[in-house]
Amino acid sequence: DAGVTQSPTHLIKTRGQQVTLRCSPKSGHDTVSWYQQALGQGPQFIFQYYEEEERQRGNFPDRFSGHQFPNYSSELNVNALLLGDSALYLCASSLGYARLSYEQYFGPGTRLTVT
Amino acid sequence: AQRVTQPEKLLSVFKGAPVELKCNYSYSGSPELFWYVQYSRQRLQLLLRHISRESIKGFTADLNKGETSFHLKKPFAQEEDSAMYYCALGEGYGNNRLAFGKGNQVVVIP
Repeated sequence: DAGVTQSPTHLIKTRGQQVTLRCSPKSGHDTVSWYQQALGQGPQFIFQYYEEEERQRGNFPDRFSGHQFPNYSSELNVNALLLGDSALYLCASSLGYARLSYEQYFGPGTRLTVT
Repeated sequence: AQRVTQPEKLLSVFKGAPVELKCNYSYSGSPELFWYVQYSRQRLQLLLRHISRESIKGFTADLNKGETSFHLKKPFAQEEDSAMYYCALGEGYGNNRLAFGKGNQVVVIP
């Protein structure tokens, strides 16, 4: 099991553009969370998907949206990119939403640079 | 407002010396606390969680609700402990979303 995988590894976009990041959860996991990690900061929760629906959301604008597919993989979309969106975007998967689930497995991240 | 505070950004210790990383939290409910670690060129991974009350790689952490703290300790630092350490608070439904502190960079000097 490769664990949580993310693609691409890194990308560069221009202000105003749109970007899509992808995540495949660890085998057997059904819940996917996305985090943004700015340089020198801890990860910040964006949102969480379970059963193809957004279940929880952090303090991020509507420019940030997502999707979960029937195979539990997920996408993070960011529209109208700002320079401040430059960060490492982490995907984490876990098992179960309705029951308490404590361990989240993180992917290697996608480094997004907005110029 | 910062819900998890890790006051020291960089901590340098000599091999064999004790390590203590401080973490304070702010949460109105019953907290679930975790320590995550990121070694060089590796992904973020769970080190330990307070409900397990276990020692991982010699590290322990005790939840002190009175002081709202969850400090990470190890009596004798090893070179392989050099890493970035994040304290995290489980929030939301099922405590399944994490609020992280800013992290501590630990450097163990041989």
